[in-house]
Amino acid sequence: SAVISQKPSRDICQRGTSLTIQCQVDSQVTMMFWYRQQPGQSLTLIATANQGSEATYESGFVIDKFPISRPNLTFSTLTVSNMSPEDSSIYLCSVEIPGGGNQPQHFGDGTRLSIL
Amino acid sequence: QKEVEQDPGPLSVPEGAIVSLNCTYSNSAFQYFMWYRQYSRKGPELLMYTYSSGNKEDGRFTAQVDKSSKYISLFIRDSQPSDSATYLCASPTGAGSYQLTFGKGTKLSVIP
Repeated sequence: SAVISQKPSRDICQRGTSLTIQCQVDSQVTMMFWYRQQPGQSLTLIATANQGSEATYESGFVIDKFPISRPNLTFSTLTVSNMSPEDSSIYLCSVEIPGGGNQPQHFGDGTRLSIL
Repeated sequence: QKEVEQDPGPLSVPEGAIVSLNCTYSNSAFQYFMWYRQYSRKGPELLMYTYSSGNKEDGRFTAQVDKSSKYISLFIRDSQPSDSATYLCASPTGAGSYQLTFGKGTKLSVIP
């Protein structure tokens, strides 16, 4: 498996501000993913981040709200823009370890975000 | 109907008990199943994954898939307090898909 580090681990933000979450992996990976985990809800995929191309967003998520960068094969950022209390959640980065076919995803410890 | 249903619990068992955690799924395209364990304030940690029907064993853990009834289970033998966590089942949306569909998770407490 890979070591996946997320920063910050938690934050409390004011309504209307933006926060950028970083995800660093200790090995090169092709596929990186961003998820949201709201209380009492399933993990939900926000987008897939591929190096060298635009992120692919899932239904219900848009680039203006959740811009993503993927400058290289070990790093990605997710920005939560113009935050409101409904954005209070855990945001998780995951990676798929190369191995051919379907490979399981491995997760970071997440960023716990509270919006006042 | 949600694509993956999982009883959220909480489930409380005495140390040493056999634990059965279960999920049902509705999408016949699901071919590949995973169980994750998530401790409080941590990210999900992959426990087991399986491609096919039948059982897969790893130490005290056994994953079971019944594709005919669209039912997946995780059994924990000789449960320990360190097994206290939330257990999530997941499956890729379809062949070659990177999108994982998760259940809501079952919170397990193993009481010493």
